Amino acid sequence: QSVLTQPPSASGTPGQRVTISCSGSSSNIGSNTVNWYQQLPGTAPKLLIYNNNQRPSGVPDRFSGSKSGTSASLAISGLQSEDEANYYCAAWDDSLNGWVFGGGTKLTVL
Amino acid sequence: EVQLVESGGGLVKPGESLRLSCAASGFMFSSYSMNWVRQAPGKGLQWVSSISTVGRHIYYAASLKGRFTISRDNAKESLYLQMDSLRAEDTAVYYCARGSQVAQRTDLFDIWGRGTMVTVS
Repeated sequence: QSVLTQPPSASGTPGQRVTISCSGSSSNIGSNTVNWYQQLPGTAPKLLIYNNNQRPSGVPDRFSGSKSGTSASLAISGLQSEDEANYYCAAWDDSLNGWVFGGGTKLTVL
Repeated sequence: EVQLVESGGGLVKPGESLRLSCAASGFMFSSYSMNWVRQAPGKGLQWVSSISTVGRHIYYAASLKGRFTISRDNAKESLYLQMDSLRAEDTAVYYCARGSQVAQRTDLFDIWGRGTMVTVS
């Protein structure tokens, strides 16, 4: 089991808004920032959101992140077929002295 | 172009060793912490190890139990992962990823290589 908990799957139709949750604890999300990564099939992960809600240049503003307490969320609005991918959250864990990733959420665009 | 290129993967037998390399280009390598992240076939991402800019601060995933050693050569702009006593469960694609210029707890993993496959069988 992963230290950060994500739903294994999510889905939506084109144009819809979907959210992916990431649940942790006081030693990781509760005390550190959260990053989100998108991994398209057969490719390396790509940074999507950093510092809870910041987008790197080039990432569409359809993607947004938030954090509250020991949980974080990734929201994707105006869903597009090219958003079909696996999404991972990650945070530093003060107890483990290392990075922890969520188990990943496979997003399907119906 | 900012780039990371991993090499050194391959097929090894259980108990053998392997050394992975990651060549950086297009940015000031010595100013960034660096990480190794792995992904077993069909599975999620697992952080392996992190090293600070001059190697003063090094962290490992607890599950590795001292079998892996991370290092870097800033003059050669390269990151390394020495993997000893390999097990079948170490079979994965190994990625190197850029950290940050600040503290390792604030690493971004903003640049990733394409990965190198390690098969232990």
